[in-house]
Amino acid sequence: DSGVTQTPKHLITATGQRVTLRCSPRSGDLSVYWYQQSLDQGLQFLIQYYNGEERAKGNILERFSAQQFPDLHSELNLSSLELGDSALYFCASSPGQGRGETQYFGPGTRLLVL
Amino acid sequence: GQNIDQPTEMTATEGAIVQINCTYQTSGFNGLFWYQQHAGEAPTFLSYNVLDGLEEKGRFSSFLSRSKGYSYLLLKELQMKDSASYLCAVRDAGNMLTFGGGTRLMVKP
Repeated sequence: DSGVTQTPKHLITATGQRVTLRCSPRSGDLSVYWYQQSLDQGLQFLIQYYNGEERAKGNILERFSAQQFPDLHSELNLSSLELGDSALYFCASSPGQGRGETQYFGPGTRLLVL
Repeated sequence: GQNIDQPTEMTATEGAIVQINCTYQTSGFNGLFWYQQHAGEAPTFLSYNVLDGLEEKGRFSSFLSRSKGYSYLLLKELQMKDSASYLCAVRDAGNMLTFGGGTRLMVKP
């Protein structure tokens, strides 16, 4: 158990819908990272927040957005969902901004878009 | 951009030693990580190399050569539970972590 929690564990929805995934970092960690893992693409970095502010951006679609709240939990919002968005979404956390730090991953949210 | 290559699949026998290679080309280098991931589960941290050389941690060791853009993960005394995917990830100058496609290791009795 890494200490990172994610909810929900599973999510089934339809194309065109919008969902919100939630992540709570390990106690004391200030950075939260979001990743998408699909069968054909491997683990892809989406976005990082540090202490409430966006720190780095990866391959995140415009239909996707994220934020980190004052209590440091983070939410990833996925809208206008398409079949190809079906994937495992992982959240990870680290103590600081990331330099020289290990990221610890949560159990993931499995999203299925029908 | 980033380019990380590792073999897609490997098979080894219980009790044996296996070496999983990773080569990378990145814009700046700020460390290399190895993670283990069982199917459908979260990646779990195995090792971190930022300087050249070998880091040993129990049955697992990781080696880095920055000049060659090369790393390997060595697993000794293989156990059935070591059957998993092994992900090589490189942190670039901007602190972004890029993962390779992973190597699926199957350990056979």
